[in-house]
Amino acid sequence: AQSVTQLGSHVSVSEGALVLLRCNYSSSVPPYLFWYVQYPNQGLQLLLKYTTGATLVKGINGFEAEFKKSETSFHLTKPSAHMSDAAEYFCVLSGNTPLVFGKGTRLSVIA
Amino acid sequence: DAGVIQSPRHEVTEMGQEVTLRCKPISGHNSLFWYRQTMMRGLELLIYFNNNVPIDDSGMPEDRFSAKMPNASFSTLKIQPSEPRDSAVYFCASRTQGAPREQYFGPGTRLTVT
Repeated sequence: AQSVTQLGSHVSVSEGALVLLRCNYSSSVPPYLFWYVQYPNQGLQLLLKYTTGATLVKGINGFEAEFKKSETSFHLTKPSAHMSDAAEYFCVLSGNTPLVFGKGTRLSVIA
Repeated sequence: DAGVIQSPRHEVTEMGQEVTLRCKPISGHNSLFWYRQTMMRGLELLIYFNNNVPIDDSGMPEDRFSAKMPNASFSTLKIQPSEPRDSAVYFCASRTQGAPREQYFGPGTRLTVT
C-alpha cells in the first residue's frame, strides 16, 4: 500500500524563521515524491520533485527537500520564511498509482 | 505555453440543474485527471483518462457524475442533477504518461449549488 503522512495540519512561523514541513511516506516501489503549494483560491503548483539521483532537491521560491530512504521522509524546508509563503502545502507520492496526496499542511507566517 | 485551462472559473446554479465543467489539458499531455476539493474531504480523485480512455472512475461519487474526453485537447465533467453537497472546487490536471508523473493543475472551477 502507498500512503503519505504530513505531520501537522497547521504550522505557524515568524517571518524570517526556518520553515520545516514534515512528510513521511510508505511505498512498495521506489517512489517519486513531490511538494505542491496551493495559494488561496488557486490551483496546485509544483514546488519541487524528487525522482532519482541527488537526494537534496531545490525548488522554486527558495524551498528545498531532502529524500531520506532510511527514514522514509521527504521534509520540506526554507531557511527564512516570507509572508508570501503563507499557503497550503501538499506532499505527494507517485508510485504505481496516479498520485497519492497527503492531507496538506497550512503554513501561516506571522509578521 | 498555456497551462491547463478550465472553464468556467465560477459556477452558481440551483439544485436540480445540469452543470458542465470544461478542461483543456496542456498540449502533448496524454493523461487527464479530475479532482474535487472540499474543506471536509480534502482533495479527491474522481476519474482519470489515458489517451482519452477512462482508466479509473472509482472516485466518481454517484451516477449523477459523468466525464468524457472526446479528444486529446478537451474533457468535460457533468453533474446531472446537481445537489448542494456537490458544492466544491473542481480541478483538472494533466501530465505525460512517462515518469516521474508530476501533474499540472488548472486554476479550478468553484461550484456552488443552492
